[in-house]
Amino acid sequence: EPEVTQTPSHQVTQMGQEVILRCVPISNHLYFYWYRQILGQKVEFLVSFYNNEISEKSEIFDDQFSVERPDGSNFTLKIRSTKLEDSAMYFCASSEAPRTRTDTQYFGPGTRLTVL
Amino acid sequence: KQEVTQIPAALSVPEGENLVLNCSFTDSAIYNLQWFRQDPGKGLTSLLLIQSSQREQTSGRLNASLDKSSGRSTLYIAASQPGDSATYLCAVRPYEAGTALIFGKGTTLSVSS
Repeated sequence: EPEVTQTPSHQVTQMGQEVILRCVPISNHLYFYWYRQILGQKVEFLVSFYNNEISEKSEIFDDQFSVERPDGSNFTLKIRSTKLEDSAMYFCASSEAPRTRTDTQYFGPGTRLTVL
Repeated sequence: KQEVTQIPAALSVPEGENLVLNCSFTDSAIYNLQWFRQDPGKGLTSLLLIQSSQREQTSGRLNASLDKSSGRSTLYIAASQPGDSATYLCAVRPYEAGTALIFGKGTTLSVSS
């Protein structure tokens, strides 16, 4: 069964450094998402992406964050100048066509980001 | 602003018991509601999706219901097994948020053998 994959599974970085989290969505899906989950907190929406541009973004997704689809298979989240509070599990998700009521978002296994 | 609440936060049951997990949301203007399973330190596995026009969905031992007007959904698990131990998350897709899912904090289920 097709699945969303993410690399790396765990990323440790120093405060102020830039990190890139990578995702390979399910191949026939058109919409891509990033969510994050701070330890013990709810899963929070960051951004959705369609047709090579941001579709929606939350208040969390400020200028520190950017997303890109550099080729036909990868979808990346870049976090510039990381802060301690960026430590979280970051989930990538994809879906076929969210403009329908039956659209299911499929999540990857996550990347645990630790900022020291 | 849409808020999603799940009660109880944790639940422990003996194997074989039938159980119900609850989810409530503040705004009934939703496209759909999804139930997920999350194992410790792992990703989210989609269990069931209920469209706003539907009342329930079934998959194996799982049955999810939706009462949009009252802002409630339940996930019924029949004949629970130790392998069902996980955190169960409820998420709604509200009209106002476009494609974003709004999650509850989850119910952590422990099934003992």
